[in-house]
Amino acid sequence: DSGVTQTPKHLITATGQRVTLRCSPRSGDLSVYWYQQSLDQGLQFLIQYYNGEERAKGNILERFSAQQFPDLHSELNLSSLELGDSALYFCASSVRSRLNTGELFFGEGSRLTVL
Amino acid sequence: TQLLEQSPQFLSIQEGENLTVYCNSSSVFSSLQWYRQEPGEGPVLLVTVVTGGEVKKLKRLTFQFGDARKDSSLHITAAQPGDTGLYLCAGETGANNLFFGTGTRLTVIP
Repeated sequence: DSGVTQTPKHLITATGQRVTLRCSPRSGDLSVYWYQQSLDQGLQFLIQYYNGEERAKGNILERFSAQQFPDLHSELNLSSLELGDSALYFCASSVRSRLNTGELFFGEGSRLTVL
Repeated sequence: TQLLEQSPQFLSIQEGENLTVYCNSSSVFSSLQWYRQEPGEGPVLLVTVVTGGEVKKLKRLTFQFGDARKDSSLHITAAQPGDTGLYLCAGETGANNLFFGTGTRLTVIP
């Protein structure tokens, strides 16, 4: 158990819909990262937050947005869903600050299926 | 976007054999991490290397960071079925981003 909690574990929805994925980081971790993994391949970095502020952006579509709340949990919002958005979405947290990433602790992921 | 290419993409070997997985990039990284991911789970950190030329050993696993900090390798000696999984390298840039490689799926057949 990494200590990172993601909900829901599985989600099936239709094209054009909007979903929200939730992540609770490990206790004490200030950084939260979101990654997308398709077809059991490598992880695509989407976005990172540190203590409530956006720290870095990767290949995140404009239809996607995220935020980190004062209690440090984070949400990834996916809208106008397309078939190609079907993937595993991972949240990870890190204890490190702005200087370096350090070890990432991953949740079990949220599997999104868009039909 | 820093591109980390791993080779081979797929590897199926018999128990007891040795293997090497490569992680290559044209970018320089301040550190490089290796993760293993099993089905239905998130990746788990195996090791972090930070110095060019650094070699770290973790039981039967040997990790090396290239002298120029652009590439890395993972060598497994006497592979066991428990080594089966997706191996991911991840490079950290000075911008505090961690970019993952394309992954190597290893299957060790008993």
